[in-house]
Amino acid sequence: NAGVTQTPKFRILKIGQSMTLQCTQDMNHNYMYWYRQDPGMGLKLIYYSVGAGITDKGEVPNGYNVSRSTTEDFPLRLELAAPSQTSVYFCASSQSGTGVFVGYGYTFGSGTRLTVV
Amino acid sequence: KNQVEQSPQSLIILEGKNCTLQCNYTVSPFSNLRWYKQDTGRGPVSLTIMTFSENTKSNGRYTATLDADTKQSSLHITASQLSDSASYICVVSAKSYGGSQGNLIFGKGTKLSVKP
Repeated sequence: NAGVTQTPKFRILKIGQSMTLQCTQDMNHNYMYWYRQDPGMGLKLIYYSVGAGITDKGEVPNGYNVSRSTTEDFPLRLELAAPSQTSVYFCASSQSGTGVFVGYGYTFGSGTRLTVV
Repeated sequence: KNQVEQSPQSLIILEGKNCTLQCNYTVSPFSNLRWYKQDTGRGPVSLTIMTFSENTKSNGRYTATLDADTKQSSLHITASQLSDSASYICVVSAKSYGGSQGNLIFGKGTKLSVKP
């Protein structure tokens, strides 16, 4: 009954370093998403995927990359970390998209708190 | 511009009391509205999802209402408990067509503190 699992929970990066945030779900959901949550702000969509091999940009994709080689995994890659990427990152999954079969909500992971110094 | 505004920003109530949180939106075309509860240091957890035709939906002590004409929603919490202390986020989904991903617009949330 794991749901969506994110690792690591916390990370401090130096400017210019790179890292991968891991996200795994065990619900066989086709849709997966990466969001960032800045203090006092609503969640913003970074990237999403509607199935293995298919990814697309969200509202704030600059500085990030994703891949979706399997249904279960959706890693988020930060290249050349910048202080503006200091945030809490949430991975989520759903059985369908936002406008279809609305009874299916999103399941969120517990988040990764990233600080870039 | 699609926006979701929540009020109040924060709220303190005593255990056992009721409270109502507000959400106004300007999202078009509207698909559905969701309320999430986010405990500190955790990801959001879905409370309710309502479509255009639904006026009220309950989940235990949580009751959400939707007025699609005025583009307003409220979340009413009855007989509050200490465990209700969290941020409550209103999320509105815009319709998507042609199989493309729809867009979720998140409010900034209302931070609720329930005191003993």
